[in-house]
Amino acid sequence: QVQLLQWGAGLLRPSETLSLTCGVYGGSFSAYFLTWIRQTPGKGLEWVGEVSHSGATNYSPSLENRVTMSVDTSKNEFSLKLSSVSAADTAVYYCARAAWVGNYYYMDVWGKGTTVTVSS
Amino acid sequence: DIQMTQSPSSLSASVGDRVTITCRASQTISLFLNWYQHKPGEGPKLLIYAASVLETGVPSRFSGGGSGAEFTLTISSLQPEDFATYYCQQSHSIPYSFGQGTKLEAK
Repeated sequence: QVQLLQWGAGLLRPSETLSLTCGVYGGSFSAYFLTWIRQTPGKGLEWVGEVSHSGATNYSPSLENRVTMSVDTSKNEFSLKLSSVSAADTAVYYCARAAWVGNYYYMDVWGKGTTVTVSS
Repeated sequence: DIQMTQSPSSLSASVGDRVTITCRASQTISLFLNWYQHKPGEGPKLLIYAASVLETGVPSRFSGGGSGAEFTLTISSLQPEDFATYYCQQSHSIPYSFGQGTKLEAK
């Protein structure tokens, strides 16, 4: 059974770079996209972006000037970096595996979430 | 961006009740609609994709319907483990937006 385990710094100061990693255990992710979703008190769940096994990326337009996602296939890990953070980036960040079945796309395996707080 | 609106935002119900949650998209999205269940301290759990296809292992008391811009999630007979927050999500176009959530609480 595939599991996603995520880790990274939970407390940042404004203007720093958020860095989170998600490891995929118990299965391959070569046929999937790997996504990041965040949950803020004010905006609920927000799709941040995705990276494929080959490194192709899609980002939310509202964040694309600050987001970088990458994949390390040798370690079965994928990562999120978000630069110049502010209090508005305080959220629980989830990694998730996204599957395509025909034309349909959905997140079928999720990590437990990492709480990131931005505070001076 | 496509806006997703759920109703109600919260709902009180009892074990055994039939419950329906509605999700509306700001534009037509065909059947590109997923439903998730979210409990505190966990990642969301996929219930339904393609508007009505039940994910493997999800109890048959959950069902999804609708197409175009209006969708429903129905729980036919509420069980104690079903009290959670439910989200719809469109997978029609990036960014894949979510509804604001419906919190289902015990009456």
